[in-house]
Amino acid sequence: SQTIHQWPATLVQPVGSPLSLECTVEGTSNPNLYWYRQAAGRGLQLLFYSVGIGQISSEVPQNLSASRPQDRQFILSSKKLLLSDSGFYLCAWNWQNTGELFFGEGSRLTVL
Amino acid sequence: AQRVTQPEKLLSVFKGAPVELKCNYSYSGSPELFWYVQYSRQRLQLLLRHISRESIKGFTADLNKGETSFHLKKPFAQEEDSAMYYCEGDGLTFGKGTMLLVSP
Repeated sequence: SQTIHQWPATLVQPVGSPLSLECTVEGTSNPNLYWYRQAAGRGLQLLFYSVGIGQISSEVPQNLSASRPQDRQFILSSKKLLLSDSGFYLCAWNWQNTGELFFGEGSRLTVL
Repeated sequence: AQRVTQPEKLLSVFKGAPVELKCNYSYSGSPELFWYVQYSRQRLQLLLRHISRESIKGFTADLNKGETSFHLKKPFAQEEDSAMYYCEGDGLTFGKGTMLLVSP
């Protein structure tokens, strides 16, 4: 069966520090991968998605970047965090050409 | 741009009352629409999709192309239905979500 792991679950970082959130999918190959930010009253905002290794599409210009160094690994990064980067980040995957998304447990980032 | 709209941030009902969570979309053609649910302290997960036309946990949702709607309905709400519900289209666009609170 397929599983998705996301870590760390909780992160507290100072303004200006770097960020790396990691997401790994197991039990499948060549999945679509997604990073969302979930905020109360604003729903789920798609940040990045990837249809293959090294292929990243950005939906919203921001202080964040994403990379896909391996088929089932998706990383969300920042060189210098801003206060506004605080939030709950969700990684998700689905099979190519199908719709249902499978979500990780999320990472709560607090920037102080 | 493709959009999914959930007009209600919060819907509060009593146990046994009917529930309708509204979702409208602005896709062209034949969109693939879903409802996701997030219970307290659990992962966001699929509730149902329009192509399956199934009932999950008593919930149903019918795609109405004329009204461009995909409302989620349940005839008799239960306390365990309390959760955050998101309407989503084509894997990229989510509505802002509706919190359903079912009181005893």
